[in-house]
Amino acid sequence: EAEVAQSPRYKITEKSQAVAFWCDPISGHATLYWYRQILGQGPELLVQFQDESVVDDSQLPKDRFSAERLKGVDSTLKIQPAELGDSAMYLCASSLDPGGNTEAFFGQGTRLTVV
Amino acid sequence: RKEVEQDPGPFNVPEGATVAFNCTYSNSASQSFFWYRQDCRKEPKLLMSVYSSGNEDGRFTAQLNRASQYISLLIRDSKLSDSATYLCVVGGGYNKLIFGAGTRLAVHP
Repeated sequence: EAEVAQSPRYKITEKSQAVAFWCDPISGHATLYWYRQILGQGPELLVQFQDESVVDDSQLPKDRFSAERLKGVDSTLKIQPAELGDSAMYLCASSLDPGGNTEAFFGQGTRLTVV
Repeated sequence: RKEVEQDPGPFNVPEGATVAFNCTYSNSASQSFFWYRQDCRKEPKLLMSVYSSGNEDGRFTAQLNRASQYISLLIRDSKLSDSATYLCVVGGGYNKLIFGAGTRLAVHP
């Protein structure tokens, strides 16, 4: 069964350092999402790609976060500099159709701890 | 007002009980609706889609009420393995998938 691949699974970093997460969506899925989930809360959308284009990054803290999907396949989410409040699970998901009209499939996530 | 609202629970029920969760959404233009299940410290996984005509999968039944803008999930004959957080997801209205905060279910012997 096709899966969304994410790495690393766990990351511990010191505040003010840079950190990057990688995601490879299910083959053929044009839509890719990055969500952040704080313990006890639901996933919050950070950025949504349609192929290589950003279609929504309204909740992405652009002063420190950046995301790219250069060839419209895999994607990287970067934080620089990391802050204590960035500790969370970062989830990547992909879906076949755009616009939130079809279900999304999630990777296992990257659990980030900033110390 | 949050775009998708759920009762956080927890719902503590005995094995064999029937339990129901509701979820309300604010955007009347929403077109797609889902329930996801999330185990502790794991990723969300699709439980079922919710169609206008309702949807049933074994012990699970989902319903949509567009007029009142809510969806529901009914679990019959609860099992210990049903213990998890259930996330309500609404899509299409803002061209993205929006998650509720989740409802925790704890099934005890």
